[in-house]
Amino acid sequence: QVQLVESGGGVVQPGRSLRLSCAASGFSFSNYGMHWVRQAPGKGLEWVAVISNDGRIKKYADSMRGRFTISRDDSKNTLYLQINSLGAEDTAVYYCAKETDWAKPFDYWGQGTLVTVSS
Amino acid sequence: DIQMTQSPSSLSASVGDRVTITCRASQGISNYLAWYQQKPGKVPKLLMYAASTLQSGVPPRFSGSGSGTDFTLTITSLQPEDVATYYCQTYHIATWTFGQGTKVEIK
Repeated sequence: QVQLVESGGGVVQPGRSLRLSCAASGFSFSNYGMHWVRQAPGKGLEWVAVISNDGRIKKYADSMRGRFTISRDDSKNTLYLQINSLGAEDTAVYYCAKETDWAKPFDYWGQGTLVTVSS
Repeated sequence: DIQMTQSPSSLSASVGDRVTITCRASQGISNYLAWYQQKPGKVPKLLMYAASTLQSGVPPRFSGSGSGTDFTLTITSLQPEDVATYYCQTYHIATWTFGQGTKVEIK
């Protein structure tokens, strides 16, 4: 069955960088666009970024553009999110999610990885 | 950017009640609207897409309607397992935005 497993979260000092990973299995990873969504503690869902199945199209939420970089390695069935210049506002659970099809909703989500930005 | 506004932000209803959540888009999005359910401490789950199409396995007491800018999610008979926060999401022209969520509790 479809599995998405995030990793790479933890406690990070402000201003540092972090790379999150999402290992996918149970489906043809290279056929699907993939997303990152985050959720600050006690808050709602916030879409972060998407990468198309072939990696050519990358889009970011306006507030994320510039510090966030989404990428994928289809040989490893893995999605990545690089976050630079971390600030307190980036403290959140980061989920990866699989699209049902390009530009469509998300049918599978990982369990999330918690990023805490604190000195 | 398209903004999605849900109302109410929270509600409390009795088991068996009919519950309606609304979602309004800041511009027309046709029927590119999905609903997700997030139970406490759990991962979001896709309930509905294309405004009114039920995702496989979702109970038929859930229904959706709307097009353009105004949408509704209805639970015809609220059950204890429906306690959750519900989010609308647009995926119009490769733009993904969530509403702020509606928390549903049992009275």
